[in-house]
Amino acid sequence: DAGVIQSPRHEVTEMGQEVTLRCKPISGHDYLFWYRQTMMRGLELLIYFNNNVPIDDSGMPEDRFSAKMPNASFSTLKIQPSEPRDSAVYFCASSLLLIEAFFGQGTRLTVV
Amino acid sequence: AQSVTQLDSQVPVFEEAPVELRCNYSSSVSVYLFWYVQYPNQGLQLLLKYLSGSTLVKGINGFEAEFNKSQTSFHLRKPSVHISDTAEYFCAVSDTGNEKLTFGTGTRLTIIP
Repeated sequence: DAGVIQSPRHEVTEMGQEVTLRCKPISGHDYLFWYRQTMMRGLELLIYFNNNVPIDDSGMPEDRFSAKMPNASFSTLKIQPSEPRDSAVYFCASSLLLIEAFFGQGTRLTVV
Repeated sequence: AQSVTQLDSQVPVFEEAPVELRCNYSSSVSVYLFWYVQYPNQGLQLLLKYLSGSTLVKGINGFEAEFNKSQTSFHLRKPSVHISDTAEYFCAVSDTGNEKLTFGTGTRLTIIP
């Protein structure tokens, strides 16, 4: 398996624009997590899914953020409208029964 | 609620010297414990995990960690470090039966030649 695949690797956008980050989890994994990493706040769990169903979205900063998992092989994290303070590295991870979480390479988002 | 404390934000160590990265956790229930490593511009990679059984856990790249329930600690050790160990190391905890992983703030390990 190629591991968790995230796209794009880098994204630069202007404030107010919509941003969509994409994630393909490892085949067969039943959990998917979205994390955000910043210097100030470290790694924060935004939301996670189990069998495509959102379980806990308490980490989503505000209504500008939304995440979907339409099927077992794809998830998106959307920010609309984006703001400079959203600049961070966003990681997607997947796991089977939480025995081990496998992380993607991350998407570095810069909002100018 | 669970939490993780990594007291050392940066640890410089000479090459071939031993190293210990400290991790303490708090939780009201039994836990699973993890150490992850993040190399520059990369995602996180699992070094080792404690789920149950022996309290001494061996991982990849010569690392090991010991679960100490009475001290609520899970310190990471390596007897002899290499330049390639330069990275950021994250301790993480999850309550058994709860899927959420909580990460510490990370420790940046710098190896001095």
